[in-house]
Amino acid sequence: NAGVTQTPKFRVLKTGQSMTLLCAQDMNHEYMYWYRQDPGMGLRLIHYSVGEGTTAKGEVPDGYNVSRLKKQNFLLGLESAAPSQTSVYFCASSWGVTVSNQPQHFGDGTRLSIL
Amino acid sequence: QQPVQSPQAVILREGEDAVINCSSSKALYSVHWYRQKHGEAPIFLMILLKGGEQKGHDKISASFNEKKQQSSLYLTASQLSYSGTYFCGTEMRGGTSYGKLTFGQGTILTVHP
Repeated sequence: NAGVTQTPKFRVLKTGQSMTLLCAQDMNHEYMYWYRQDPGMGLRLIHYSVGEGTTAKGEVPDGYNVSRLKKQNFLLGLESAAPSQTSVYFCASSWGVTVSNQPQHFGDGTRLSIL
Repeated sequence: QQPVQSPQAVILREGEDAVINCSSSKALYSVHWYRQKHGEAPIFLMILLKGGEQKGHDKISASFNEKKQQSSLYLTASQLSYSGTYFCGTEMRGGTSYGKLTFGQGTILTVHP
């Protein structure tokens, strides 16, 4: 049972390049989330999804796009990478129709550096 | 709208106790607590749903004061394995706030032998 798997684990990009981060979960969870974590800032929500085919903006959505074509996968795209997007990105998923009584399960993170 | 955690850092010796606080300026529906070790993913500790609710997990417990819009995490008889960064995640009441968490900036806990 893999839980939440993120690929790649590390990546270095040049400014202006594009890339897609993949998150896959095998727990049949409805909710999926993308966070970024910067020193001293905690986890900030980028986008999230409450089910297959749905997405919504979080706190810091600018410069990112997402898609959830399949229930088990949640993709995060950077169309034109900027140095300010250097961060550690975490994907998470949770079961059920509300986050209130359901824990979030996190992947191991993707460390992204943009030069 | 980010909840504020205090203290920012705490250093303990094994066996000592600690309290980490999480305060919000908005009315809360639930509070989640997570622990993250360096270079690893955050791990779920507990969720508090109702005002006044207290939960325990081994020697780690938490309370939720809905009226004061705050939660506290209590670590008693600390162990070396308790070291890490602790985050509270708050789900605020109302409208589009349900269904997502806003995390505090974290409290770094270091336990020495």
